[in-house]
This record gives sequence, C-alpha cells and structure tokens, in this order.
Amino acid sequence: NAGVMQNPRHLVRRRGQEARLRCSPMKGHSHVYWYRQLPEEGLKFMVYLQKENIIDESGMPKERFSAEFPKEGPSILRIQQVVRGDSAAYFCASSPGGYNEQFFGPGTRLTVL
Amino acid sequence: DQQVKQNSPSLSVQEGRISILNCDYTNSMFDYFLWYKKYPAEGPTFLISISSIKDKNEDGRFTVFLNKSAKHLSLHIVPSQPGDSAVYFCAAETSGSRLTFGEGTQLTVNP
Repeated sequence: NAGVMQNPRHLVRRRGQEARLRCSPMKGHSHVYWYRQLPEEGLKFMVYLQKENIIDESGMPKERFSAEFPKEGPSILRIQQVVRGDSAAYFCASSPGGYNEQFFGPGTRLTVL
Repeated sequence: DQQVKQNSPSLSVQEGRISILNCDYTNSMFDYFLWYKKYPAEGPTFLISISSIKDKNEDGRFTVFLNKSAKHLSLHIVPSQPGDSAVYFCAAETSGSRLTFGEGTQLTVNP
C-alpha cells in the first residue's frame, strides 16, 4: 500500500508566477489535509478536504490560495502570484476519517525567487 | 494563539537512557493527541496517539502519558537509541479534524 504521494518534491518559482502542488492520498483514504511549515516553525493547518468538498479552510490565506480534491485525481493546492513569503515546505496528509491518525507525504519545498 | 506548546526546543540524552518530551495545551476541546517524528527533508511520521479518555498508551519503546487536569502530555522513549534523533512534534485534534501542532523538540541521542 503506497503512502501519501506528493509532487513535485521541489518547486522553484519567480515572484508573480503560479505554483501547483499535488497530493495523492493513501489508498482507501478519503480525507486530505494540507499543512505549511515555514522555516524554524511548526506545521500550520491550511485546509481540510474530502472528495469534491472543502470541509475546513480556516487556515488558508484569504487571497491567492485555493485547494481542491476532485472526484478523480489528486488534491491540488494552488498558489497564484507567489511572493517570497510563500517559500515553505507544504505537507499533505490523509486519513480514512474520524479519529484516525493522519499520514503525511514527503512534502513539497517551494522556493520563490 | 499557540494552543499546543512544546517549551523545550531541544533535548540531549545518552543512548540507553530515557527520553522524556513534554507538551502542554490550552484548548480543553482537544480530545485526541498524537506524537510525530520528523527527519530533515521528510514528512512527519506517526509514532503514537492517545484518546482523551485514557491516561496512558504504550507501544514498544514509546509510551504517551496524558494528564487532562494539567492539560499536559509527555512522550517517553526507553531505551533511547541514536536512530531516535529527530524533531518530535506533539499534535492535538478535535472531532477527527485538523491537527494543531506544537513547535517541535529536537531530540539528540548520543552514542
């Protein structure tokens, strides 16, 4: 059973470009979570999705950030018009739902030049 | 508002001895607690969890203790091994939803 997959592992963008981060949950998991880790900080919740639904996006910045988890395919975290402050490690986690452990992917390290 | 706090940024112990990592929380609505281990350039790896209806959970060398009245939990690793050297994150959850993480504690186990 493959773990949570994220791609790309490293992404470099110039200011003003768009970044697309992909996450494929573990097989059988229908709940996906995105977290961000800024340098020297802990992980901060961004958004929680189930298939075709955003359950909780209270951790998402109000502008430029969006997330989706379509019926088919991976979950996508999209950052438009990136700025240097968006440079961070972005982690995706999945779970079967309810009181279950969340399993994390290896992360995507975004660098904005 | 830091609802989960790990007050020790780092901890150093000798191989074979016990490692004790601590975590405090402020939100009484948290009802499920987890510990994750993280190596550089990797995602967090789940270690052990505990429900708020319990005060102890053990899995091999790892034991988590929960003191609800003090809003405090701890992770004990015994015996500690050099391979345990990593950053350990405490996390808390409400109603099976998002995790709130502490800042992490860097554990170094010296041979």
